[in-house]
Amino acid sequence: EVQLVESGGGLVQPGGSLRLSCAASGFTFSSYWMHWVRQAPGKGLVWVSRINSDGSSTSYADSVKGRFTISRDNAKNTLYLQMNSLRAEDTAVYYCARDGDYPDYWGQGTLVTVSS
Amino acid sequence: QLVLTQSPSASASLGASVKLTCTLSSGHSSYAIAWHQQQPEKGPRYLMKLNSDGSHSKGDGIPDRFSGSSSGAERYLTISSLQSEDEADYYCQTWGTGPWVFGGGTKLTVL
Repeated sequence: EVQLVESGGGLVQPGGSLRLSCAASGFTFSSYWMHWVRQAPGKGLVWVSRINSDGSSTSYADSVKGRFTISRDNAKNTLYLQMNSLRAEDTAVYYCARDGDYPDYWGQGTLVTVSS
Repeated sequence: QLVLTQSPSASASLGASVKLTCTLSSGHSSYAIAWHQQQPEKGPRYLMKLNSDGSHSKGDGIPDRFSGSSSGAERYLTISSLQSEDEADYYCQTWGTGPWVFGGGTKLTVL
């Protein structure tokens, strides 16, 4: 059974940093591109970032470019999102998703709240 | 620019059928999409991939009550024999050479 479990969310002050993790199981993690998608309170789904299967290529939404870094450890079957210089508008539930051209599996999400 | 447009809300009665629509922006009518369901306070769940010819492939465990169809730039999700647990937000999503693109979502109320 494919499982994606996010962790690392919490309350952080504006300008602070947080690292999210997504532990994958039930499939060959190293064969799949992976993505982060976020959802602000009461809003829709917004793509944040993606990484290819071996970690050599990444892409970011303009809203997070230069502040967020996606990475992965295929030996640990884990996806990461390092978030720096956090802003109030980054407050959201962050989901990791497996890329089957589309998100064919999603995690349950982890909440990030940026507030003083 | 690749954009997906969905109506913000829809409603239908318990046991009835409902058809949700997702419209691809001009010039993108050949694109496949995916439908996702998000029940209250839960993460999204992949329902199906829907091609421009109406063929579709569903995710694991998705009931036969969920089906998809296409016409031009329109992509449809039909849910028959509506149940209370179908009350959820439904998002369409597509992909190209750039980032994933999501529609704004349709909130389905089961009366």
